[in-house]
Amino acid sequence: EAQVTQNPRYLITVTGKKLTVTCSQNMNHEYMSWYRQDPGLGLRQIYYSMNVEVTDKGDVPEGYKVSRKEKRNFPLILESPSPNQTSLYFCASSSQGGGGQPQHFGDGTRLSIL
Amino acid sequence: GDSVTQMEGPVTLSEEAFLTINCTYTATGYPSLFWYVQYPGEGLQLLLKATKADDKGSNKGFEATYRKETTSFHLEKGSVQVSDSAVYFCALNRYGGATNKLIFGTGTLLAVQP
Repeated sequence: EAQVTQNPRYLITVTGKKLTVTCSQNMNHEYMSWYRQDPGLGLRQIYYSMNVEVTDKGDVPEGYKVSRKEKRNFPLILESPSPNQTSLYFCASSSQGGGGQPQHFGDGTRLSIL
Repeated sequence: GDSVTQMEGPVTLSEEAFLTINCTYTATGYPSLFWYVQYPGEGLQLLLKATKADDKGSNKGFEATYRKETTSFHLEKGSVQVSDSAVYFCALNRYGGATNKLIFGTGTLLAVQP
């Protein structure tokens, strides 16, 4: 089954404690993205990757890092989380960068930073 | 820059009522347009899409037509069911874009009562 898998689904942690949210896709997609979803703002792209070792900033990259060492994995790293990073996070993948190719989303990770 | 505006919710309807959720966009060139649906506790799923002017996307009884003259992509369904209760997101993707970024509206919560 084609899917994007994120872990953990839920995490409560404290300010400054480094955390990593993992994302894995089994569709051999080149493109992967991270989004955050906030009430009244919809989803906003944090980072994206066009292929292994190729990543770039989206619209809200401050406070986040990513890496793409393997095609299937695209972890999101919060090195020093702060309360304003409390949000619902989604990983997505697609076979192409633009045009009509839909993106496939994971089920989301709800982060609470205290 | 590119943007998507959709009607605010929540939208509350009785079963079998007619649904319209308005969506308008601002974009240069010819974007692809999408409707995604988010059921409680789940990630986003593609509902339908249209890639050029006058295209009609349809799926599960939902329809939307890409109207370039009014820059709109309104979602419609003739008879809603309780199982349609979810958050609906309108989104666009720039043709030829290298970032695979989707620009989302803020989402519209639909609640269908039996």
